[in-house]
Amino acid sequence: EAQVTQNPRYLITVTGKKLTVTCSQNMNHEYMSWYRQDPGLGLRQIYYSMNVEVTDKGDVPEGYKVSRKEKRNFPLILESPSPNQTSLYFCASSPSEGARGYTFGSGTRLTVV
Amino acid sequence: AQSVTQLDSQVPVFEEAPVELRCNYSSSVSVYLFWYVQYPNQGLQLLLKYLSGSTLVKGINGFEAEFNKSQTSFHLRKPSVHISDTAEYFCAVRRTSYDKVIFGPGTSLSVIP
Repeated sequence: EAQVTQNPRYLITVTGKKLTVTCSQNMNHEYMSWYRQDPGLGLRQIYYSMNVEVTDKGDVPEGYKVSRKEKRNFPLILESPSPNQTSLYFCASSPSEGARGYTFGSGTRLTVV
Repeated sequence: AQSVTQLDSQVPVFEEAPVELRCNYSSSVSVYLFWYVQYPNQGLQLLLKYLSGSTLVKGINGFEAEFNKSQTSFHLRKPSVHISDTAEYFCAVRRTSYDKVIFGPGTSLSVIP
């Protein structure tokens, strides 16, 4: 089944403790992206990647890191999480042909206390 | 710069009644247009998309949308809603293949039995 897999689905952590949210897609998509979803603010792009070893900042990159060492994986790293990073995170992928739209993962609900 | 406006943040509607969710966008160039649906505790799922050609686009679950270039609108409609249509609906635009998808703030559709 074609899908984007995120792990974990739920995560509670403490301020300052490094964490990684994994994202993997099995569709050979070139483009991958991370969004965060917050009430009243909608979906905001954090980082994106157009292909292996090519990443760039989105609208809200502060406090996050990403890497794209393999085409299928695009982990999101929070080096020192803070409470304002409490949010619902989505990974999405699409082929280079943009008209196909995104395929989304199921989301990761992160709480930083 | 592109932007997407969804005029109604919440739309309550009785079961089997018709519904229209409004979306307006601004862009100086041609764009791809999308509607996504987010069911509770799930990721976003593509409902339908407009690329070019016929302005009336049909999607999954009986939804359709009409592209109006002069009004820069892409309203979503369904002639008869079901309880299972209760969800958050997002309108989105994408300029080119590698461009990011810009989402509207979302419309929460509540179907009342």
